[in-house]
Amino acid sequence: GDSVTQMEGPVTLSEEAFLTINCTYTATGYPSLFWYVQYPGEGLQLLLKATKADDKGSNKGFEATYRKETTSFHLEKGSVQVSDSAVYFCAPPNSGGYQKVTFGTGTKLQVIP
Amino acid sequence: NAGVTQTPKFRVLKTGQSMTLLCAQDMNHEYMYWYRQDPGMGLRLIHYSVGEGTTAKGEVPDGYNVSRLKKQNFLLGLESAAPSQTSVYFCASTYGASNQPQHFGDGTRLSIL
Repeated sequence: GDSVTQMEGPVTLSEEAFLTINCTYTATGYPSLFWYVQYPGEGLQLLLKATKADDKGSNKGFEATYRKETTSFHLEKGSVQVSDSAVYFCAPPNSGGYQKVTFGTGTKLQVIP
Repeated sequence: NAGVTQTPKFRVLKTGQSMTLLCAQDMNHEYMYWYRQDPGMGLRLIHYSVGEGTTAKGEVPDGYNVSRLKKQNFLLGLESAAPSQTSVYFCASTYGASNQPQHFGDGTRLSIL
């Protein structure tokens, strides 16, 4: 079935450091891919999406490129801020439909001043 | 601009008590989901619905029941609460196409003593 493998956390970075969170997927067809972010005490919210191969999703300085050849959708940010401290989830493919998906534990990011 | 609203936000129950968690969305979404989030276990799907009057089991349905009598509402019931059901519960909704993201509520923090 469709699934993702996401880098384990926690990840601790200093402010202004470069961030990469790895995500690889298995899927039937070419589904849209999503990254979500969960701030403390809140629900998940969409961070960015890509709908086809080579598409780059971006938002709030974060980027992820849909790479079909490596089945990857790694999340990157050039300079993290303390306010980026949160848990990041690479969503399973087709999670917008009726598949029995599990989001996994996500990657917890802590940015220190 | 409500989105997905969960009621209540916090609740403490005694073992054996029953309760209902309410999820309401104002986006005319077809699909709705209930997840639980536990430390180290990620977000796991309990039940979901693909439209008014329909429900289906997810990954961890035991001990829970759901109803979708109105399109905008999705209720999660615990008939006889157990300490293992202590968790944070999230409701989500989406249009239902796999290229659309899920929209999450802020969660209900439930403790079973």
